[in-house]
Amino acid sequence: EPEVTQTPSHQVTQMGQEVILRCVPISNHLYFYWYRQILGQKVEFLVSFYNNEISEKSEIFDDQFSVERPDGSNFTLKIRSTKLEDSAMYFCASSLGLSDNEQFFGPGTRLTVL
Amino acid sequence: SQKIEQNSEALNIQEGKTATLTCNYTNYSPAYLQWYRQDPGRGPVFLLLIRENEKEKRKERLKVTFDTTLKQSLFHITASQPADSATYLCALEGKLIFGTGTRLQVFP
Repeated sequence: EPEVTQTPSHQVTQMGQEVILRCVPISNHLYFYWYRQILGQKVEFLVSFYNNEISEKSEIFDDQFSVERPDGSNFTLKIRSTKLEDSAMYFCASSLGLSDNEQFFGPGTRLTVL
Repeated sequence: SQKIEQNSEALNIQEGKTATLTCNYTNYSPAYLQWYRQDPGRGPVFLLLIRENEKEKRKERLKVTFDTTLKQSLFHITASQPADSATYLCALEGKLIFGTGTRLQVFP
C-alpha cells in the first residue's frame, strides 16, 4: 500500500540553524501539506501546496518557513533560523484532491532545537 | 476564527461497550468534517468523512453523525476493543483544523 515517507525521523539542531525536513508524498497525489504538533498539543496546520505553489498557509507559517517541491517526488519544509519553540513533530500529508479527500500522513519528523 | 472542540481529553471505557466522542465547532459551517485516529508518536490516520448533507456514516464498528444545527459531530465505536485505544481527532474540511483530540482507553 502506498504511503507517505519522511526523513529524518529525528533531527536535533542548534538554535539559529537552518533545517530542511523532507517528505515523499504518495505518487499520484496532487495536494501536499505540512502540519506540526508540539508535544502534548494539537496538530496544527502550517501550509498546503498545489501545482507548485502555496495554496494556503496559517499564521504560524511566517517568513522563517518555506516549502519546495524540488523534483517530481520530494516535498520539503525549510526553517531558516530555528527557534526553541520550533521544537515539535512535523507531519507531511498528501491527498488526491482538495475537497473531501482524505489526507495521508507520514510518520513525522521530530525536531529538537537546543 | 473557526474553533473546534472535543469535549473530553480522556475517556475510559470497558471492552465491549460503545465509546461516544463529541466534537463541537463554532464560527464556521463546514461542508464536511473528518475523523482521524492518532497513536502515540505517529501521524493521524483517516477514519471517516461526513458531509453536511449526511446525517450519519458507518464503517464497520464506527459510526459518525453530523448535526449542522447543533454544530456537532458524534463519533461512536461499538463493541470497543483494547486495540481501539488511541487519540481520536476531529477536523474541519480540507486544510484540517484539528480538535485537541480525545484519548480513548479501552480496558479489558
